Amino acid sequence: QKEVEQNSGPLSVPEGAIASLNCTYSDRGSQSFFWYRQYSGKSPELIMFIYSNGDKEDGRFTAQLNKASQYVSLLIRDSQPSDSATYLCAVTGSGDDKIIFGKGTRLHILP
Amino acid sequence: GAVVSQHPSWVICKSGTSVKIECRSLDFQATTMFWYRQFPKQSLMLMATSNEGSKATYEQGVEKDKFLINHASLTLSTLTVTSAHPEDSSFYICSASQIGTDTQYFGPGTRLTVL
Repeated sequence: QKEVEQNSGPLSVPEGAIASLNCTYSDRGSQSFFWYRQYSGKSPELIMFIYSNGDKEDGRFTAQLNKASQYVSLLIRDSQPSDSATYLCAVTGSGDDKIIFGKGTRLHILP
Repeated sequence: GAVVSQHPSWVICKSGTSVKIECRSLDFQATTMFWYRQFPKQSLMLMATSNEGSKATYEQGVEKDKFLINHASLTLSTLTVTSAHPEDSSFYICSASQIGTDTQYFGPGTRLTVL
């Protein structure tokens, strides 16, 4: 059973600080890794994807991938109240086109 | 780019009726579309994977005769909830992948309430 694990939270971070979200996955053959943001009552919105080991930066967001340790993380710098949402880690399964989603981490940015 | 729309965004129906939800990729062609369901405060649950021109692949436990999926073109997939019952009330979300990629872009979702 391919799994993607996230801490459900809530993770509370003061405004302006760095929020760090973590995710581990079980399928060593996974090739693509995604972070989605989902506001309450809305559908998921793609924030970043990463394919290679290392860091990928996009504005205030940095995705980090370590395939040897099977974890992927998302850093949010200068956290804003509008960043308060559930963040979903998603990983492609090896051999098919499905994405396996974690249950999400609720992030709460404290004003 | 990579915009996915859904219609309707909200539907209320009586028990026993059928409801059709459309999912369209507006600015790209999608060989694969996915249908998810999400109950309040729960995680996304993949219902089925739909490839253009072929039968959908349903996840275990999802009744294919109840949730009819048609992927007639590279920009349109439909989900029909047949003989809907109150327990089918949920948030239905589609996603689509561009040709040659595995990145999924989600539609805004359809909230179904069955009375």
